[in-house]
Amino acid sequence: DVKVTQSSRYLVKRTGEKVFLECVQDMDHENMFWYRQDPGLGLRLIYFSYDVKMKEKGDIPEGYSVSREKKERFSLILESASTNQTSMYLCASSPTGHLNTEAFFGQGTRLTVV
Amino acid sequence: KQEVTQIPAALSVPEGENLVLNCSFTDSAIYNLQWFRQDPGKGLTSLLLIQSSQREQTSGRLNASLDKSSGRSTLYIAASQPGDSATYLCSVRDSSYKLIFGSGTRLLVRP
Repeated sequence: DVKVTQSSRYLVKRTGEKVFLECVQDMDHENMFWYRQDPGLGLRLIYFSYDVKMKEKGDIPEGYSVSREKKERFSLILESASTNQTSMYLCASSPTGHLNTEAFFGQGTRLTVV
Repeated sequence: KQEVTQIPAALSVPEGENLVLNCSFTDSAIYNLQWFRQDPGKGLTSLLLIQSSQREQTSGRLNASLDKSSGRSTLYIAASQPGDSATYLCSVRDSSYKLIFGSGTRLLVRP
């Protein structure tokens, strides 16, 4: 089974802290994604990466950065956490190509910034 | 810009009913469409993936269809059970590998 593992289920951080959310996948997928999910706004893409050290901005990249030094790991960084970044964060991975590019998600990280 | 819409936003049915969830998208140039299930406070679980060249996929009591030309997909759930209660999300994948999501249908199956 494909496994996408997020490092924490719940996090509480203070305003201004630098926050790292880690995601690891074990299926050698080229593509990895970070989404945030908020009530009434659905899932919004923050960043995605289609290869090691490659990244592209999604719809809401402001206040975030990412790092992909190894194929299996994709990190989301909140440079200076703010209360409006309180949300559910979801990581996903998928293979590249045109066939059978099923995406798999981690269990989510509920981040609260106080 | 691709937009994905899911109707209805919420649905409540008695146990045993067959039901249909709808998903529509504005740009037919998709690579695939995927249906997910999400339980409260949890991540997304993949249910079915339909490639753009396929018309339908089946898994147990679930059947998903795709009509790319009209920009529509349906998820059919047969003989619904209380354990099917969850939010169901559809997503389409475009040529950049991004997944674009609908806002979901919240399903409650009453015992």
